[in-house]
Amino acid sequence: EIVLTQSPGTLALSPGEKATLSCRASESVASNNLAWFQQKPGQPPRLLIFGASDRAAGIPDRISGSGSGTDFTLTISRLEPEDFAVYYCHHYDTSRTFGQGTKVDIK
Amino acid sequence: EVQLVESGGGFAQPGRSLRLSCAASGFTFEDYAMHWVRQAPGEGLEWVSVISWNSGRIDYADSVKGRFTISRDNAKSFLYLQMDSLRSEDTAVYYCVKGGATIYGLVDYWGQGSLVTVSS
Repeated sequence: EIVLTQSPGTLALSPGEKATLSCRASESVASNNLAWFQQKPGQPPRLLIFGASDRAAGIPDRISGSGSGTDFTLTISRLEPEDFAVYYCHHYDTSRTFGQGTKVDIK
Repeated sequence: EVQLVESGGGFAQPGRSLRLSCAASGFTFEDYAMHWVRQAPGEGLEWVSVISWNSGRIDYADSVKGRFTISRDNAKSFLYLQMDSLRSEDTAVYYCVKGGATIYGLVDYWGQGSLVTVSS
């Protein structure tokens, strides 16, 4: 089973700043089968990124994904108030694992 | 618009059973694998189970194998999760999640979730 480790656990930033979230896999992720989800309190997760770098429908271009192999990054170029949430990376393939999450908090 | 509506959650004592249902609409249900993913209070996401479009392939997390049973009714566009021998560590919000064409595909749409509380 592929283990996903996200860092940092919490990121305290101000609106307008850039957020960089990391997801490291315990072994190489085949075909970049890596997704990112956003979750706000009391809501289900929402798909942001799939295939490591493809944006899901309706996701603004200030949110982007990159990486391959074992190291992946979610970048939010300029934080908007609605971006403060918890973000999970997810390997969708044989192991179907989630990272433990990174909380983006208002500074 | 894809809609997934879970029901059947609630309170159960350890060792008892509950059955979750998920009503799907807004997409061709029979074409997609479906998953259950859970989230314990204040915790992260844990994948629970997946069923292929025709119920021919099924997989479970080790934590629920032998106790939970996933099934689907394509004629009614319903997904189910039969949860037996419940434990306190099964307490969580259970999400019904739309998968891809195969059991290994991307999960995209999530229901609002159904809370299951296991306690004596």
